[in-house]
Amino acid sequence: NAGVTQTPKFQVLKTGQSMTLQCAQDMNHEYMSWYRQDPGMGLRLIHYSVGAGITDQGEVPNGYNVSRSTTEDFPLRLLSAAPSQTSVYFCASSSGVGGTQYFGPGTRLTVL
Amino acid sequence: AQKVTQAQTEISVVEKEDVTLDCVYETRDTTYYLFWYKQPPSGELVFLIRRNSFDEQNEISGRYSWNFQKSTSSFNFTITASQVVDSAVYFCALSEGYQKVTFGIGTKLQVIP
Repeated sequence: NAGVTQTPKFQVLKTGQSMTLQCAQDMNHEYMSWYRQDPGMGLRLIHYSVGAGITDQGEVPNGYNVSRSTTEDFPLRLLSAAPSQTSVYFCASSSGVGGTQYFGPGTRLTVL
Repeated sequence: AQKVTQAQTEISVVEKEDVTLDCVYETRDTTYYLFWYKQPPSGELVFLIRRNSFDEQNEISGRYSWNFQKSTSSFNFTITASQVVDSAVYFCALSEGYQKVTFGIGTKLQVIP
């Protein structure tokens, strides 16, 4: 049981480049979320999904896109990277409403 | 809107001291869930506890204990006889459902040997 996996662990982009952060879980969880963590700001919700084919925006969705074609995968797309998107990104999954979220190891993204 | 306040941004204690991390939340819902997570220097987020709004029983797990008081909207976390391995950032979080979880900004705990 791998839990929640994220790739890559580290990434450096140039302003304007696009990329996809991968997230997968093998716990058959319905709910998956993406957060970004910035110093002094805790974790902020970017997008979340309550099941395959269903996604919604969180607190800071601008500049990011998501889709959920399978239960297992929830990729986060940066459309045109900006230095303000330099952050640590965490993916999480849980089994239902109010369920415990289990986090992936994080992706540290730097945008130059 | 839901909100979580962790007023202590950094705390330093000497090893073996007890320390309490405060968490105050705001919500209009009667059904909600509270969590504590630990983030050690290695960066991963480790789940510690989950509590629903209908269960006000305090919980103890080894050196860790949690005090949930709905009357004051608080969910405080106490570490007894702190150890260097407790040094981490601790996050309190609130969920009103549909996984819209709100995190506090975290409290950085440093345990000095």
